[in-house]
Amino acid sequence: SQTIHQWPATLVQPVGSPLSLECTVEGTSNPNLYWYRQAAGRGLQLLFYSVGIGQISSEVPQNLSASRPQDRQFILSSKKLLLSDSGFYLCAWRPPGSREYFGPGTRLTVT
Amino acid sequence: GENVEQHPSTLSVQEGDSAVIKCTYSDSASNYFPWYKQELGKGPQLIIDIRSNVGEKKDQRIAVTLNKTAKHFSLHITETQPEDSAVYFCAAVSSASKIIFGSGTRLSIRP
Repeated sequence: SQTIHQWPATLVQPVGSPLSLECTVEGTSNPNLYWYRQAAGRGLQLLFYSVGIGQISSEVPQNLSASRPQDRQFILSSKKLLLSDSGFYLCAWRPPGSREYFGPGTRLTVT
Repeated sequence: GENVEQHPSTLSVQEGDSAVIKCTYSDSASNYFPWYKQELGKGPQLIIDIRSNVGEKKDQRIAVTLNKTAKHFSLHITETQPEDSAVYFCAAVSSASKIIFGSGTRLSIRP
């Protein structure tokens, strides 16, 4: 069966520090992968999606970036965090035309 | 661009009563409509879904209806219980790589 992992589960970082969140998927190949952000009490905002290695589409301009160095690995990064980057970050994968499978999420607090 | 509108944003019902959440989508190419339940601090989990060739689907206390002509779909929860309290998201999926989420409904069940 397919499994999706995210780490770390929680992270507290100072403003201006770098960020690296990792997501890996098991039990599938060539998945569509997604990064979402959810601010407190808000809905899901799609940040990036990838349909293959090295293929990244950005939905919202910001100081975040994403990379897909391997088929089942998706990384969310920032060179300098802002206070507004705080939130709950969710990685997901989805077979074409089907449901989304979400990871457990990373709660990021920028201080 | 494509969007999904979800109402209400908050809903409080007496335990045992029914709850209804409604969504409207704009992309006529959407053909799959999942509903997710998100509990505090966790990633969204699929609770029910419906495809465009079906008008209604039921799973125990949960049902979803779809009116493709009007581009409306709804979630119905009957005999609500305290464990139904959570945030619920609707979504619309087309043959493209993106899934569009509604803004979420915070459902509270009063004992």
